[in-house]
Amino acid sequence: KAGVTQTPRYLIKTRGQQVTLSCSPISGHRSVSWYQQTPGQGLQFLFEYFSETQRNKGNFPGRFSGRQFSNSRSEMNVSTLELGDSALYLCASGPQETQYFGPGTRLLVL
Amino acid sequence: GENVEQHPSTLSVQEGDSAVIKCTYSDSASNYFPWYKQELGKGPQLIIDSRSNVGEKKDQRIAVTLNKTAKHFSLHITETQPEDSAVYFCAASKDYGQNFVFGPGTRLSVLP
Repeated sequence: KAGVTQTPRYLIKTRGQQVTLSCSPISGHRSVSWYQQTPGQGLQFLFEYFSETQRNKGNFPGRFSGRQFSNSRSEMNVSTLELGDSALYLCASGPQETQYFGPGTRLLVL
Repeated sequence: GENVEQHPSTLSVQEGDSAVIKCTYSDSASNYFPWYKQELGKGPQLIIDSRSNVGEKKDQRIAVTLNKTAKHFSLHITETQPEDSAVYFCAASKDYGQNFVFGPGTRLSVLP
C-alpha cells in the first residue's frame, strides 16, 4: 500500500508570493489533515478535510487555506507569504487514531 | 485552550537502558493521548496511544501510562536500541475528529 505523498518536497519562495502544496492520501482514506512544524512553535494543526469538507480548523490566519478533491487529494495554499511561514508542512491521512504522516514539504521564505 | 508540556527536551541513554518521557496537559476534557516518533527527514509516526478509560497500555518494549487526576501521561521505552533514537511527541485531544495539541518534543539519543 503506497504511503502518503507530498509534493513538492522542497520549495523556496519570497515574501509576498503565494504557494500551493499538494498531498495524496493513502488509497481509501477520506480524511486529510495538515500541520505546520517549526523549531519554535513545534507541530501545530492547520485544518482537516473529510469528503471534500473542512471538518476542523486550527488557529491560523486566513492566509492559510485548503481544499480537498473528490479523489481525496488535498491542497493547501498560503497567500502573501511571510518569513515566519518558513516551516515543514506535513499532511496526515486517515482517521484520528491511525493517522499516517507524509514526509512533508519544506518551505523556505526569503 | 489545551496546552501540552513535555519533559525532558533531550534525553540520552545507554543502549539497553530504559527511557521515560513525561507530558502534562491542561484541559481535563482531553481524552485521547497519542505518541509519535519522528525520525530525521520523515513525518511523525504513531507508535502508541491511550484513551482516558485506560490507565496503562503496553506494546512490546513500549508502554504508556495515564493519570487523569494529575493530568499527566508518560511514555516508557525499555531495552532501548539505537534505532529508538528520534524525536518523540506526545499529543492530546478532546474528542474524535478534534485537532491534536502536540507537546514540544523530546530528542532521544540511544548511545551504543
